[in-house]
Amino acid sequence: NAGVTQTPKFRVLKTGQSMTLLCAQDMNHEYMYWYRQDPGMGLRLIHYSVGEGTTAKGEVPDGYNVSRLKKQNFLLGLESAAPSQTSVYFCASRSRYNEQFFGPGTRLTVL
Amino acid sequence: GEDVEQSLFLSVREGDSSVINCTYTDSSSTYLYWYKQEPGAGLQLLTYIFSNMDMKQDQRLTVLLNKKDKHLSLRIADTQTGDSAIYFCAEGGGANNLFFGTGTRLTVIP
Repeated sequence: NAGVTQTPKFRVLKTGQSMTLLCAQDMNHEYMYWYRQDPGMGLRLIHYSVGEGTTAKGEVPDGYNVSRLKKQNFLLGLESAAPSQTSVYFCASRSRYNEQFFGPGTRLTVL
Repeated sequence: GEDVEQSLFLSVREGDSSVINCTYTDSSSTYLYWYKQEPGAGLQLLTYIFSNMDMKQDQRLTVLLNKKDKHLSLRIADTQTGDSAIYFCAEGGGANNLFFGTGTRLTVIP
């Protein structure tokens, strides 16, 4: 039981490049989330999903897209990376008891 | 979004008690949470409290909730160096997400 895993752990992009962050959970949770963490700002919700095939916007969705084709996977895409997207990205899934389980994070730097 | 506020830093001596405070704005939140983040790691749920409770104790952790003032606190008894981390309070309970505070960096001085 690996919980929530994220790949990659680190990535450096140039402005304008694209990439996809992968989140996987093996707990059969319906709800999954993508957050970004910036210094002094806590965690902010980018997008979330309440089940396979569904996604919704969070607090800071601009510049990101997501897909939930399989229940266990939640993908976060950056189509054209900008320096403002330099951050640590966390994926989480939620149990039916409202506990959110977090992945270890992806540290992204956009030059 | 909702406002969840915390002080940024707290330093305590090993063996003392730590009290981390949080204020929130959404009085309809069903749950309030405390998460711990160690360096380079994700967030780990420490404890949570239902909004209809005033206090919850779990070993060295005591959570106090003052609904009237929308104030939540986390007390860590006998603080150890392994407790050094960033502590986040969060509110939520709907179908969607949690709203997190900025985090309080706890430093335990040996």
